[in-house]
Amino acid sequence: DAKTTQPPSMDCAEGRAANLPCNHSTISGNEYVYWYRQIHSQGPQYIIHGLKNNETNEMASLIITEDRKSSTLILPHATLRDTAVYYCIVVPGAGSYQLTFGKGTKLSVIP
Amino acid sequence: NAGVTQTPKFQVLKTGQSMTLQCAQDMNHEYMSWYRQDPGMGLRLIHYSVGAGITDQGEVPNGYNVSRSTTEDFPLRLLSAAPSQTSVYFCASSRARGSYNSPLHFGNGTRLTVT
Repeated sequence: DAKTTQPPSMDCAEGRAANLPCNHSTISGNEYVYWYRQIHSQGPQYIIHGLKNNETNEMASLIITEDRKSSTLILPHATLRDTAVYYCIVVPGAGSYQLTFGKGTKLSVIP
Repeated sequence: NAGVTQTPKFQVLKTGQSMTLQCAQDMNHEYMSWYRQDPGMGLRLIHYSVGAGITDQGEVPNGYNVSRSTTEDFPLRLLSAAPSQTSVYFCASSRARGSYNSPLHFGNGTRLTVT
Protein backbone atom coordinates (compact mmCIF):
# COMPACT_ATOMS: atom_id res chain seq x y z
CA ASP A 1 0.00 0.00 0.00
CA ALA A 2 1.18 3.52 -0.78
CA LYS A 3 2.38 5.59 2.14
CA THR A 4 2.13 9.36 2.47
CA THR A 5 4.48 12.05 3.72
CA GLN A 6 3.20 15.30 5.21
CA PRO A 7 4.93 18.15 7.04
CA PRO A 8 4.31 17.84 10.78
CA SER A 9 3.04 21.39 11.18
CA MET A 10 2.08 24.55 9.28
CA ASP A 11 0.80 28.00 10.14
CA CYS A 12 -1.64 30.06 8.13
CA ALA A 13 -2.98 33.58 8.66
CA GLU A 14 -6.72 33.84 9.13
CA GLY A 15 -8.48 34.68 5.87
CA ARG A 16 -5.61 33.46 3.71
CA ALA A 17 -5.52 30.25 1.71
CA ALA A 18 -4.03 27.26 3.47
CA ASN A 19 -2.12 24.91 1.15
CA LEU A 20 -1.34 21.56 2.70
CA PRO A 21 1.01 19.30 0.73
CA CYS A 22 1.13 15.53 0.66
CA ASN A 23 3.61 13.24 -1.03
CA HIS A 24 2.47 9.80 -2.16
CA SER A 25 5.13 8.83 -4.65
CA THR A 26 4.34 5.08 -4.58
CA ILE A 27 0.63 5.44 -5.31
CA SER A 28 -0.89 2.89 -7.67
CA GLY A 29 -3.18 3.65 -10.56
CA ASN A 30 -6.38 2.57 -8.84
CA GLU A 31 -5.71 4.17 -5.46
CA TYR A 32 -7.58 7.24 -4.29
CA VAL A 33 -6.20 10.16 -2.30
CA TYR A 34 -8.34 11.07 0.68
CA TRP A 35 -8.13 13.96 3.10
CA TYR A 36 -9.54 14.01 6.62
CA ARG A 37 -9.14 16.40 9.49
CA GLN A 38 -9.36 16.01 13.24
CA ILE A 39 -10.37 19.02 15.28
CA HIS A 40 -9.11 18.88 18.85
CA SER A 41 -9.93 15.37 20.12
CA GLN A 42 -13.02 14.71 18.04
CA GLY A 43 -13.33 11.90 15.54
CA PRO A 44 -11.72 12.57 12.14
CA GLN A 45 -13.93 14.26 9.59
CA TYR A 46 -13.91 13.56 5.86
CA ILE A 47 -12.96 16.53 3.67
CA ILE A 48 -12.46 15.46 0.07
CA HIS A 49 -11.06 12.72 -2.14
CA GLY A 50 -9.90 12.22 -5.71
CA LEU A 51 -8.38 9.77 -8.14
CA LYS A 52 -6.63 11.81 -10.81
CA ASN A 53 -8.67 14.94 -11.50
CA ASN A 54 -8.75 18.01 -9.33
CA GLU A 55 -11.77 18.15 -7.05
CA THR A 56 -13.65 20.90 -5.25
CA ASN A 57 -16.43 20.84 -2.70
CA GLU A 58 -17.84 23.27 -0.17
CA MET A 59 -14.98 22.67 2.23
CA ALA A 60 -11.85 22.55 0.11
CA SER A 61 -10.11 21.91 -3.19
CA LEU A 62 -7.83 19.01 -3.98
CA ILE A 63 -5.08 19.40 -6.56
CA ILE A 64 -3.41 16.17 -7.70
CA THR A 65 -0.29 16.38 -9.84
CA GLU A 66 -0.38 14.80 -13.28
CA ASP A 67 1.95 11.99 -12.23
CA ARG A 68 -0.22 11.50 -9.09
CA LYS A 69 2.83 11.42 -6.85
CA SER A 70 1.71 14.36 -4.76
CA SER A 71 -1.34 16.42 -3.94
CA THR A 72 -2.30 19.66 -2.22
CA LEU A 73 -5.34 20.36 -0.11
CA ILE A 74 -6.45 23.98 -0.36
CA LEU A 75 -8.64 25.70 2.21
CA PRO A 76 -9.42 28.92 0.33
CA HIS A 77 -10.12 31.22 3.27
CA ALA A 78 -8.85 29.69 6.48
CA THR A 79 -10.68 30.48 9.71
CA LEU A 80 -9.75 29.79 13.30
CA ARG A 81 -12.12 26.82 13.22
CA ASP A 82 -9.89 25.21 10.57
CA THR A 83 -7.15 24.70 13.16
CA ALA A 84 -6.82 20.90 13.21
CA VAL A 85 -4.67 17.95 12.25
CA TYR A 86 -5.05 17.14 8.56
CA TYR A 87 -4.51 13.60 7.33
CA CYS A 88 -3.72 12.64 3.76
CA ILE A 89 -4.21 8.93 3.11
CA VAL A 90 -4.11 6.67 0.09
CA VAL A 91 -6.99 4.24 -0.11
CA PRO A 92 -6.23 0.91 -1.75
CA GLY A 93 -8.27 -0.29 -4.65
CA ALA A 94 -10.81 -3.09 -4.45
CA GLY A 95 -9.70 -6.13 -2.50
CA SER A 96 -7.86 -4.32 0.30
CA TYR A 97 -9.62 -2.73 3.22
CA GLN A 98 -6.82 -1.63 5.49
CA LEU A 99 -6.54 2.14 5.62
CA THR A 100 -3.42 3.62 7.14
CA PHE A 101 -3.40 7.03 8.80
CA GLY A 102 -0.06 8.69 9.45
CA LYS A 103 0.59 11.53 11.86
CA GLY A 104 -0.81 14.22 9.59
CA THR A 105 -0.12 17.96 9.50
CA LYS A 106 -1.05 20.16 12.44
CA LEU A 107 -2.46 23.34 10.86
CA SER A 108 -2.60 26.37 13.11
CA VAL A 109 -4.65 29.30 11.83
CA ILE A 110 -3.28 32.51 13.32
CA PRO A 111 -5.57 35.53 13.96
CA ASN B 1 -29.45 10.22 11.45
CA ALA B 2 -27.16 9.72 14.44
CA GLY B 3 -24.26 8.50 12.28
CA VAL B 4 -21.67 6.50 14.23
CA THR B 5 -22.34 6.30 17.96
CA GLN B 6 -19.72 5.13 20.43
CA THR B 7 -20.32 4.32 24.08
CA PRO B 8 -19.07 4.97 26.66
CA LYS B 9 -17.28 8.29 26.07
CA PHE B 10 -14.90 7.72 28.98
CA GLN B 11 -13.87 4.58 30.86
CA VAL B 12 -11.36 3.74 33.57
CA LEU B 13 -10.39 0.11 34.04
CA LYS B 14 -8.04 -1.72 36.33
CA THR B 15 -5.46 -4.06 34.88
CA GLY B 16 -7.01 -7.43 34.14
CA GLN B 17 -10.58 -6.22 33.89
CA SER B 18 -12.62 -6.82 30.79
CA MET B 19 -15.00 -4.54 28.96
CA THR B 20 -16.73 -3.96 25.65
CA LEU B 21 -16.60 -0.74 23.69
CA GLN B 22 -19.81 -0.29 21.77
CA CYS B 23 -20.14 1.05 18.23
CA ALA B 24 -23.36 1.42 16.31
CA GLN B 25 -24.15 3.04 12.96
CA ASP B 26 -27.53 3.77 11.44
CA MET B 27 -26.40 4.35 7.84
CA ASN B 28 -26.61 0.70 6.69
CA HIS B 29 -22.85 0.74 6.08
CA GLU B 30 -21.18 -2.55 5.20
CA TYR B 31 -17.67 -1.63 6.29
CA MET B 32 -16.85 -0.94 9.94
CA SER B 33 -13.52 -0.61 11.70
CA TRP B 34 -11.81 0.18 15.00
CA TYR B 35 -8.79 2.43 15.40
CA ARG B 36 -6.76 3.45 18.39
CA GLN B 37 -5.01 6.77 18.70
CA ASP B 38 -2.07 7.32 21.00
CA PRO B 39 -0.28 10.65 21.44
CA GLY B 40 1.98 11.33 18.46
CA MET B 41 1.11 8.01 16.80
CA GLY B 42 -1.71 8.86 14.42
CA LEU B 43 -4.49 6.31 13.97
CA ARG B 44 -3.77 2.58 13.97
CA LEU B 45 -6.23 -0.01 12.70
CA ILE B 46 -7.19 -2.71 15.20
CA HIS B 47 -9.89 -4.78 13.48
CA TYR B 48 -12.30 -4.29 10.64
CA SER B 49 -15.38 -5.90 9.13
CA VAL B 50 -16.68 -5.86 5.56
CA GLY B 51 -20.11 -7.16 6.48
CA ALA B 52 -22.15 -9.08 9.05
CA GLY B 53 -20.36 -12.26 10.07
CA ILE B 54 -17.03 -11.18 8.57
CA THR B 55 -14.13 -9.72 10.56
CA ASP B 56 -10.40 -9.42 10.03
CA GLN B 57 -7.33 -8.14 11.81
CA GLY B 58 -5.71 -4.80 11.26
CA GLU B 59 -2.31 -3.49 12.24
CA VAL B 60 -2.55 -3.90 16.03
CA PRO B 61 -5.12 -6.65 16.85
CA ASN B 62 -3.47 -8.26 19.88
CA GLY B 63 -5.52 -7.99 23.07
CA TYR B 64 -8.75 -7.19 21.25
CA ASN B 65 -11.66 -9.25 19.94
CA VAL B 66 -14.49 -8.21 17.66
CA SER B 67 -17.66 -9.69 16.24
CA ARG B 68 -20.22 -8.48 13.71
CA SER B 69 -23.54 -10.19 14.24
CA THR B 70 -25.56 -7.35 12.70
CA THR B 71 -24.87 -4.69 10.09
CA GLU B 72 -25.40 -1.95 12.65
CA ASP B 73 -23.14 -3.02 15.53
CA PHE B 74 -19.42 -3.69 15.81
CA PRO B 75 -18.34 -4.08 19.46
CA LEU B 76 -14.70 -4.17 20.51
CA ARG B 77 -13.82 -6.41 23.46
CA LEU B 78 -10.88 -6.14 25.78
CA LEU B 79 -10.63 -9.50 27.56
CA SER B 80 -7.92 -8.55 30.06
CA ALA B 81 -7.06 -4.87 30.02
CA ALA B 82 -3.43 -3.77 30.19
CA PRO B 83 -1.97 -0.27 30.77
CA SER B 84 -0.66 -0.39 27.18
CA GLN B 85 -4.27 -0.28 26.02
CA THR B 86 -4.75 3.18 27.46
CA SER B 87 -5.75 5.13 24.39
CA VAL B 88 -8.54 6.85 22.52
CA TYR B 89 -10.58 4.41 20.44
CA PHE B 90 -12.44 5.42 17.30
CA CYS B 91 -15.00 3.43 15.38
CA ALA B 92 -15.55 4.22 11.71
CA SER B 93 -17.86 2.99 8.98
CA SER B 94 -18.28 3.42 5.25
CA ARG B 95 -20.87 2.52 2.68
CA ALA B 96 -18.92 0.28 0.35
CA ARG B 97 -17.01 -2.88 1.09
CA GLY B 98 -14.02 -1.70 -0.81
CA SER B 99 -14.19 1.72 0.82
CA TYR B 100 -12.00 3.15 -1.92
CA ASN B 101 -14.69 5.48 -3.20
CA SER B 102 -16.66 5.89 -0.01
CA PRO B 103 -15.55 8.13 2.86
CA LEU B 104 -15.17 6.89 6.40
CA HIS B 105 -17.57 8.25 9.01
CA PHE B 106 -16.04 8.35 12.47
CA GLY B 107 -17.57 8.31 15.92
CA ASN B 108 -16.40 10.73 18.59
CA GLY B 109 -14.28 8.22 20.40
CA THR B 110 -14.00 6.38 23.70
CA ARG B 111 -11.25 7.53 26.02
CA LEU B 112 -9.97 4.52 27.93
CA THR B 113 -7.55 4.59 30.84
CA VAL B 114 -6.17 1.35 32.29
CA THR B 115 -4.51 1.69 35.69
